[in-house]
Amino acid sequence: GQNIDQPTEMTATEGAIVQINCTYQTSGFNGLFWYQQHAGEAPTFLSYNVLDGLEEKGRFSSFLSRSKGYSYLLLKELQMKDSASYLCAVRDSQAGTALIFGKGTTLSVSS
Amino acid sequence: GAVVSQHPSWVICKSGTSVKIECRSLDFQATTMFWYRQFPKQSLMLMATSNEGSKATYEQGVEKDKFLINHASLTLSTLTVTSAHPEDSSFYICSASLNAGVEQFFGPGTRLTVL
Repeated sequence: GQNIDQPTEMTATEGAIVQINCTYQTSGFNGLFWYQQHAGEAPTFLSYNVLDGLEEKGRFSSFLSRSKGYSYLLLKELQMKDSASYLCAVRDSQAGTALIFGKGTTLSVSS
Repeated sequence: GAVVSQHPSWVICKSGTSVKIECRSLDFQATTMFWYRQFPKQSLMLMATSNEGSKATYEQGVEKDKFLINHASLTLSTLTVTSAHPEDSSFYICSASLNAGVEQFFGPGTRLTVL
């Protein structure tokens, strides 16, 4: 089976850096994704990790450690528009190409 | 970029009626489409995986006779909620991938309210 854990809520201030952690357990790991979802909207793709290490894309970076079943999403220079839910999702090789989502972390950015 | 549309955006129906939701890939051919359901303040729950021209694969606990999925072409998949009840009220989101590629492209979602 699969199990994905991430914090329910986080708060931060504009200009700050925030790290959202995700731990997972899967039968067969085949990639980890981070998505951003604003209320009432569909998720938008942020990052993909399949090998260990850090992937940087502008203000967002994502890290993966397969041996630890651990990932984090790092958001730098926070902006008010970054207030959203951040979903960690894992592709389980036994589930084909479908994604298994965590419950999401709601990030609130204040001025 | 790849665009996925859903229709309708929102729908309100009476209990006992059936509702059809369409998911279209607008600028690419999607060999695989996925249907998710999201209840308020919950994450996306995978309902089923559909491949063009074959029967959908349903996740455990999802009634295939209640949630009918048809993937008749490489650009269209439909989800029909049959005999809808208030507990079926939810946000239904589809996604599509190209040739089992890495990224899934999500539609804007359909909010279903059953009275």
